[in-house]
Amino acid sequence: EPEVTQTPSHQVTQMGQEVILRCVPISNHLYFYWYRQILGQKVEFLVSFYNNEISEKSEIFDDQFSVERPDGSNFTLKIRSTKLEDSAMYFCASNARGVRGTEAFFGQGTRLTVV
Amino acid sequence: ILNVEQSPQSLHVQEGDSTNFTCSFPSSNFYALHWYRWETAKSPEALFVMTLNGDEKKKGRISATLNTKEGYSYLYIKGSQPEDSATYLCALFVYGGSQGNLIFGKGTKLSVKP
Repeated sequence: EPEVTQTPSHQVTQMGQEVILRCVPISNHLYFYWYRQILGQKVEFLVSFYNNEISEKSEIFDDQFSVERPDGSNFTLKIRSTKLEDSAMYFCASNARGVRGTEAFFGQGTRLTVV
Repeated sequence: ILNVEQSPQSLHVQEGDSTNFTCSFPSSNFYALHWYRWETAKSPEALFVMTLNGDEKKKGRISATLNTKEGYSYLYIKGSQPEDSATYLCALFVYGGSQGNLIFGKGTKLSVKP
């Protein structure tokens, strides 16, 4: 069964460093998302991506964050200068027709720890 | 600020018990509600996407109902099994921009004891 894969599963980084979280969405999907969950809190929307551009982003997704689909298969989230409060589980999701009517398929997540 | 609330936060039941939990959301401008099951160290997995008031959906021993007028959805598990132990997330679809996104509740963590 097709699945969304994320790498790495766990990343530890020093404050101020740049990190890139990688995702391979399901191949025929067109809509891509990043969510995160800080420990003990709700899963929060970060950004959605469609047709090679950001279609929506939350307040969390400030200038320190960026997304790319560099080669038609990978979907990456970059955090330029990590802060302690960026420590969270980051989930990538993809969907064929938009999540209004159909489910999102999630990866297993990347646990980011900023020290 | 849109808020999606789930209750209870956690639930401990014995194997064989039936159980249910609630997702509450603002009833205005409703489009869709999703339910996901999230086991530790795995991906959240979709259970249902519900769009119509009065919808009832079923997948094996798990079912869900939707009341968009009063803004709630119930998830039922009949005859709970230890493998049902997971966090159950509901998510409301909202339009914040062109494509929309999901606003999640905090989840209900279910533990089923053998």
